[in-house]
Amino acid sequence: DIQMTQSPSSVSASVGDRVTITCRASQGIGSWLAWYQQKPGKAPKLLIYAASSLQSGVPSRFSGSGSGTDFTLTISSLQPEDFATYYCQQANSFPLTFGGGTKVEIK
Amino acid sequence: QVQLQESGPGLVKPSETLSLTCTVSGGSISSYYWSWIRQPPGKGLEWVGYIYYSGSTNYNPSLKSRVTISVDTSKTQFSLKLSSVTAADTAVYYCARLYDGSGSVLDYWGQGTLVTVSS
Repeated sequence: DIQMTQSPSSVSASVGDRVTITCRASQGIGSWLAWYQQKPGKAPKLLIYAASSLQSGVPSRFSGSGSGTDFTLTISSLQPEDFATYYCQQANSFPLTFGGGTKVEIK
Repeated sequence: QVQLQESGPGLVKPSETLSLTCTVSGGSISSYYWSWIRQPPGKGLEWVGYIYYSGSTNYNPSLKSRVTISVDTSKTQFSLKLSSVTAADTAVYYCARLYDGSGSVLDYWGQGTLVTVSS
């Protein structure tokens, strides 16, 4: 199985801050990486697929980059509705695997 | 807009079989893959498996011996059975559409249903 490691596990930030979350795969996955946002008590929501493609309806302050084994999710200007937990997922091979999550908290 | 809704018992006894159904509405079940994902309370996400509308399946090796996913296209439903459950199977279970166009991503999700394994 491909192991996905996210860092940090949590980050405290203020509205308007730039936030960057990293995700590392245990082996190369090309650009086959997705990012999800999950709010408490809700299902995850797809934000980004193929490492850098924004899912329809997702605000442009979210962006993704990377290829191979190292990936980043960036929120350019944090908004109140962005406080949530973010997960990466390798979309290259089965079984699909997720990172452990990064909780973005209010500073 | 595709919508998914999980249904099934919220409490299952240890050693018994967990059974859940996901009903798909607002779109066709054909030509897509459909998946189950679970999340233990306070923990991360674990992919359980998928079924193609034609019936082919792929399961997480960690659960493969206990999992069966089936589909009923006439009812636009797919189902999960997990046998010999223990407390470790307590989780929120989500159904989702697996879009295989740009890698394998989960683009539509149900709201999730909590299943507790306890006597």
